[in-house]
Amino acid sequence: DQQVKQNSPSLSVQEGRISILNCDYTNSMFDYFLWYKKYPAEGPTFLISISSIKDKNEDGRFTVFLNKSAKHLSLHIVPSQPGDSAVYFCAARSGGYQKVTFGIGTKLQVIP
Amino acid sequence: GAVVSQHPSRVICKSGTSVKIECRSLDFQATTMFWYRQFPKQSLMLMATSNEGSKATYEQGVEKDKFLINHASLTLSTLTVTSAHPEDSSFYICSADRDSANNEQFFGPGTRLTVL
Repeated sequence: DQQVKQNSPSLSVQEGRISILNCDYTNSMFDYFLWYKKYPAEGPTFLISISSIKDKNEDGRFTVFLNKSAKHLSLHIVPSQPGDSAVYFCAARSGGYQKVTFGIGTKLQVIP
Repeated sequence: GAVVSQHPSRVICKSGTSVKIECRSLDFQATTMFWYRQFPKQSLMLMATSNEGSKATYEQGVEKDKFLINHASLTLSTLTVTSAHPEDSSFYICSADRDSANNEQFFGPGTRLTVL
């Protein structure tokens, strides 16, 4: 039972345009959501997060939107840069527990 | 950012042997470390939570006698895959929790295990 779902395995975007990565979750107990970025042969690195009490969090070119009623969140990257090409994992946790549940990841390719 | 290292980065072993993977937090102390496994085309799956000085907490379906975890210090946790079999071949990643209040885990680069 996959509680965090990333239904798009890959995404290609032109440099300078917006990249939108989507994530859905099924566990209503999740109250904190994270996005991680992973380059080949490296571990995931934390990118941005959002608490369930918010619906938007912005950090530079990265913005995460949360729609609790739809159990959906998205990561927007604008403008997209070739260096953003990586696998992006959506993750969630609940109740202050440290355990993080990951999605399967979406591979983003930004085309110069 | 905080740095977490893993050693070895890649290991190939024969079926039936044991393999030890080390996870170190290089510039911070980690009370809690986590071990994940990732099979091809699947997500990172938490195997166990390792707490310094106490027994690890294993996720459902993970054999604690097969995957031995030792968290002997605030900067080192080890995962030993005992009597490895080809189905144990996977990518193993550890992470360390530097500050629980910030809900941020720092990941190691991972270890690719291949069991022949």
